[in-house]
Amino acid sequence: AQSVTQPDIHITVSEGASLELRCNYSYGATPYLFWYVQSPGQGLQLLLKYFSGDTLVQGIKGFEAEFKRSQSSFNLRKPSVHWSDAAEYFCAVGDNNAGNMLTFGGGTRLMVKP
Amino acid sequence: ETGVTQSPTHLIKTRGQQVTLRCSSQSGHNTVSWYQQALGQGPQFIFQYYREEENGRGNFPPRFSGLQFPNYSSELNVNALELDDSALYLCASSRGGADYNEQFFGPGTRLTVL
Repeated sequence: AQSVTQPDIHITVSEGASLELRCNYSYGATPYLFWYVQSPGQGLQLLLKYFSGDTLVQGIKGFEAEFKRSQSSFNLRKPSVHWSDAAEYFCAVGDNNAGNMLTFGGGTRLMVKP
Repeated sequence: ETGVTQSPTHLIKTRGQQVTLRCSSQSGHNTVSWYQQALGQGPQFIFQYYREEENGRGNFPPRFSGLQFPNYSSELNVNALELDDSALYLCASSRGGADYNEQFFGPGTRLTVL
C-alpha cells in the first residue's frame, strides 16, 4: 500500500528566508505526486504536481518541488518565504489504479516570523 | 466556471444520529471523491463515485455511504455517528477516465459530534 511521510510536523522560518519541506513516499510504480496548501478553516489548494518528465516542477506562489526517485522524495522549496505563506502543507501521492485516490501525509505546519 | 461547493459549512450532531453532507462538482467533472480530515491530520480517502457508481473505497466502515446523482453532485451519509467522526469532510471533483486527473477540492464541511 502506498504511504506518504512528512517528517516535520512544525517548521518556523523568518520572512525572506528559504524554505524546504520534506516529503517521502512509498509506492510501487511511478508515482503521481502533489503538494497542497491549506489555510486555517479552508479546503486544499494545489501548489504543484508531478506526473512525468522534468523532475523539477514549478508551481504557484513561487514554489517548486524536485522528484528524486532514488530517495523516494518530493521536497517542496521556496527561495524567499512571505508572511502569507504561513499555512499547513500536505504532500500526497495519487494511485491511478484506485480511481485517482490520493494518499496524504500528515502535513507540515509552517509558521513565518516577521 | 463554478468550483466545487459543499453544504453545509458547519454541522453539530449528537452521537447516534445520522448526517448527510452535500457536494456539487466543478463543471465538466464526472468524478467525486470524499475525504475525512481529523484535527491535526492529513485527509483520508473515504470513497469515490464515477458516473453514479462507487469506484473505490478507503478503510471506512459501511455506515459511511454515498450517492452520486445524474448531474454528478454527490452526498456523503454517515449513520450512527460516533465522537471520532468529528472532522472536516472534504469533497473533490475531477474529470475521471483512464488517465490520472487532478482533483479540485471544495472548502469542506466541519462536522462536530457531541
